[in-house]
Formats: sequence, structure tokens, C-alpha cells
Amino acid sequence: DIQMTQSPSSLSASVGDRVTITCRASQGISNYLTWFQQKPGKAFKSLIYAASNLQSGVPSKFSGSGSGTDFTLTISSLQPEDSGTYFCQQYHSYPLTFGGGTKVEIK
Amino acid sequence: QVQLVESGGGVVQPGRSLRLSCAASGFTFSSYGMHWVRQAPGKGLEWVAVISHDGGNKFYADSVKGRFTISRDQSKNTLYLQMNSLSAEDAAVYYCAKEEYYGSGGYLGYWGQGTLVSVSS
Repeated sequence: DIQMTQSPSSLSASVGDRVTITCRASQGISNYLTWFQQKPGKAFKSLIYAASNLQSGVPSKFSGSGSGTDFTLTISSLQPEDSGTYFCQQYHSYPLTFGGGTKVEIK
Repeated sequence: QVQLVESGGGVVQPGRSLRLSCAASGFTFSSYGMHWVRQAPGKGLEWVAVISHDGGNKFYADSVKGRFTISRDQSKNTLYLQMNSLSAEDAAVYYCAKEEYYGSGGYLGYWGQGTLVSVSS
């Protein structure tokens, strides 16, 4: 199974800050990586697919990069509505596997 | 718009069975692969199973293989997860998710809000 290591597990940042979350795969997954957001009481929301493609309707402040084993999700200017938990997930091969999540809080 | 609504969760005794449903709308159900993913309380996400758009291919996590069965009813636009021989380790919120496609890969593009399964005597 491909292990996905996500860091940090939590972060606290101020409105307007640039925030970066990293995800590392235990083996190369090309660009078969997606990022999504979880908020309490709401369905998971897909943000990025194929490592760097912005899902339709997602604000351009979100961006993704990387290929192979190392990936990042960046929020260019953190806003209060961005609080939540962010997950990476590989879809290179089954079983699909997820990072442990990053809880983002607003200071 | 895409809607996925899970149901069927509840409290079940160890060793018993439960069937989850996921009602899909807003897209051509028969054209997309569908997944089940679960999240135990306070834990991370665990992929459970996938079924191809036509039901011809199914894959399972090792942790549920032989106990869980994924299926779909195209006429009802509904995805199912039959869960047998449940144990405490199966207690989780279960989510259904719709595949989206880009290039040669399919990712989890849309999710339901989940249904809670508790296993307790």
C-alpha cells in the first residue's frame, strides 16, 4: 500500500497569511493526487485534482503542486472560511490512501 | 448539482449485518465509478471499496474483503454497501463518493455527508 504522510497535522495562522501543507507518498504516484477540505457538518469538498488542477468553483487562492512523491497545497491568503481540515489522497493505485489530515485554525 | 445522500447507518451488535445506501442525483449515475470511504471517530480516512460504472469491477480494502459487498442499482441510482460480521473496528462514519475523471485517473470528486455506524452490544 502507498503511505501518504501529511504535515503539519495542525496549524494556526492569521487572516491574510500564506499557508502551505505538504504531502509525501511512500512511492512515486506521478500526479495522481487530490486535495480536499472537510468542515464540520458539511460534505468533503474537492479542491485540487491531478496534483495541480483547481476543481471548478474553487477559489484561485488554492493551488497545488508536485509530482512523484512530494506535493504541496498552498492557500495564498488565508480567510476565516478556510478553517477546517485538509486531506491529500493518492489515486495512483488501490487501495486508495489518505494523508492524516491538517487542521487549519485561524488565529 | 451532484447530490449523494447516505442512509442506513445505526447501532448494530457485533457479528450482525447492516446495509448502507447512497442515493445519487444530479448526474448520470451509470456512467461513474462509486466508492465507499469511512472515518472512525477521531481517526483518519480509510478507503473501503469501489465499483465500476457498470458494476463489472469491484475492489475492496483488505480490512473488509470477504465481509463487505459493494453493489449498485442503476434503475434506482443507488449505491449499496452490505456489511456482514461487523466488529467494533468497523464503527465509523461511512461516506459514498463519486469518481471524477481526468487523464487516465479517477479521483473522488464529490462526497456525501456520511452515515454513522456504531457497533456495540
